[in-house]
Amino acid sequence: AQRVTQPEKLLSVFKGAPVELKCNYSYSGSPELFWYVQYSRQRLQLLLRHISRESIKGFTADLNKGETSFHLKKPFAQEEDSAMYYCALGYNFNKFYFGSGTKLNVKP
Amino acid sequence: DAGITQSPRHKVTETGTPVTLRCHQTENHRYMYWYRQDPGHGLRLIHYSYGVKDTDKGEVSDGYSVSRSKTEDFLLTLESATSSQTSVYFCAISESRVSSGANVLTFGAGSRLTVL
Repeated sequence: AQRVTQPEKLLSVFKGAPVELKCNYSYSGSPELFWYVQYSRQRLQLLLRHISRESIKGFTADLNKGETSFHLKKPFAQEEDSAMYYCALGYNFNKFYFGSGTKLNVKP
Repeated sequence: DAGITQSPRHKVTETGTPVTLRCHQTENHRYMYWYRQDPGHGLRLIHYSYGVKDTDKGEVSDGYSVSRSKTEDFLLTLESATSSQTSVYFCAISESRVSSGANVLTFGAGSRLTVL
């Protein structure tokens, strides 16, 4: 069965520090991995997806099939990065499974 | 923007009463979803639809029913609301992104339901 694990419920860092939000998945097929973000009082929105290998707002994520991980990284956190982050697994084109989320708090 | 609107945005109701949440989209997407968001649980799929009158259960479907009589509307009904259904409910659609071929979810603004 598919599963997504985000081990940290809360991650607090200081502005300018590096950030890594962890995501591990379990899926027997070929996964599609995503990161979604929810800023305060806003709707969930797509941050990035592994297939496009892009950097959005300074964030990157690399799919590591050997470790079944898709960690989200940013070298220098900004206060505006404070938000709830969800890792998601897409499968069969239109099915999606979400992790429990990590709240990132960037302190000034 | 997939033009997704949810209504009502906020609702307070009493245990045992029926509640219907509506999701409306303007771009004719085939797949629509209802998720609930709870602290510590993240987003959990309640039901989804893959076309008019075509729906299927998600991981937390007990106590919920859905209907899709038109492409643009996907209704979520709590037949007899319970306090455990107090949550924020999100509707979403799945759309393909031509540049990558991978479908992605686009979410509505959410409906906050409180069951007293």
